[in-house]
Amino acid sequence: QVQLQESGPGLVKPSQTLSLTCTVSGGSISSGSDYWNWIRQPAGKGLEWIGHIFTSGSTKYNPSLKSRVTISVDTSKNQFSLNLRSVTAADTAVYYCARDPRQNHFDYWGQGTLVTVSS
Amino acid sequence: SYVLTQPPSVSVAPGKTARITCGGNNIGIKSVHWYQQKPGQAPVLVIYYDSDRPSGIPERFSGSNSGNTATLTISRVEAGDEADYYCQVWDSSSGRSYVFGAGTKVTVL
Repeated sequence: QVQLQESGPGLVKPSQTLSLTCTVSGGSISSGSDYWNWIRQPAGKGLEWIGHIFTSGSTKYNPSLKSRVTISVDTSKNQFSLNLRSVTAADTAVYYCARDPRQNHFDYWGQGTLVTVSS
Repeated sequence: SYVLTQPPSVSVAPGKTARITCGGNNIGIKSVHWYQQKPGQAPVLVIYYDSDRPSGIPERFSGSNSGNTATLTISRVEAGDEADYYCQVWDSSSGRSYVFGAGTKVTVL
């Protein structure tokens, strides 16, 4: 059973970079044809897809965030990461990592981590 | 960009049937996926490819998709079904790729 776990700072100052890591267990991140995703959810609001990475390193981002987002993968650690630059209060949200088994939906999710942007 | 429209809320009595709709332009030609999210928890996939159930999801959960509306149906509703439900599609014409509906809060009376 694949498990995902987000980690990273819970508080980020405005204009700084939000950095999160998702550790995958129960399977190799590079063994399949999966897309590894970041999704966020502001308090009381819906889900927003941020972007994903394939184990080859190819990425795709939500156009609304593309100028500020980088997703990378470290296959040796079975992890993938999110960097979101120049954050504002509007980036305060629960951030989830999730797997798409290349079937255009998300079958495994991390528990989520709350990131607050505040000085 | 592609937009999915869900009712904000649906109320249902225990033992009855809840139907949650997801509207979109010609959504019937797309594959629709549904997630259940309980407070403080991550979403859980309950229906994929319109009507398939992942392992462990009760048969009470079913889905359909035709025309401009996809529907998640929960039969014999239980108190534990109270949650937010989100529909999702993959839209190749939109840079957003994965598009979510705004969610429907299901309240069990």
